Amino acid sequence: DGGITQSPKYLFRKEGQNVTLSCEQNLNHDAMYWYRQDPGQGLRLIYYSQIVNDFQKGDIAEGYSVSREKKESFPLTVTSAQKNPTAFYLCASSRGQEPATQYFGPGTRLTVL
Amino acid sequence: GDSVTQMEGPVTLSEEAFLTINCTYTATGYPSLFWYVQYPGEGLQLLLKATKADDKGSNKGFEATYRKETTSFHLEKGSVQVSDSAVYFCALTGANSKLTFGKGITLSVRP
Repeated sequence: DGGITQSPKYLFRKEGQNVTLSCEQNLNHDAMYWYRQDPGQGLRLIYYSQIVNDFQKGDIAEGYSVSREKKESFPLTVTSAQKNPTAFYLCASSRGQEPATQYFGPGTRLTVL
Repeated sequence: GDSVTQMEGPVTLSEEAFLTINCTYTATGYPSLFWYVQYPGEGLQLLLKATKADDKGSNKGFEATYRKETTSFHLEKGSVQVSDSAVYFCALTGANSKLTFGKGITLSVRP
């Protein structure tokens, strides 16, 4: 079955540590996205990538970094510079011709202690 | 910039009740409009969409009509079920093709 996988589902880290969230898709989609979800705030775009080896900042990129070395993979690193990293992180992908129809992974809940 | 406004929640209904969730938008040009649903502990799933004025999107008994004159895309269902309990997000894409989401609203359906 095609889809998007995110791992792990739950992640705990100590303050000051960098942490990398995994996102893999086998839908052959060109574009991939990372969102952050906080209670009562909807989804906010962190980074997105439309092709391999290229990515752009979204609305809240500070304290995050990404890479896109393969079409299937778009890992997100939450750095120690992110002031409030505890949140639910969602990865999504879309076909190049239909950027608005995005398919989401199950999410990773990050808790920084 | 583009924005989406959803009615305040949460919403609690009894099974078989009629559902309306309001959504209005602000955007330049001619956006496409979407409803996404998030079941507990999961990611978002596309529920329905409409790409031009007066289009009606429908899926799983839910409907929404793209109303350009009122800049609205209200979600309706004639008879909700317990399994419809979820968070519902209204969203749009504007000229930059990026999704802009509303804050979401939690629906709880009682048996």
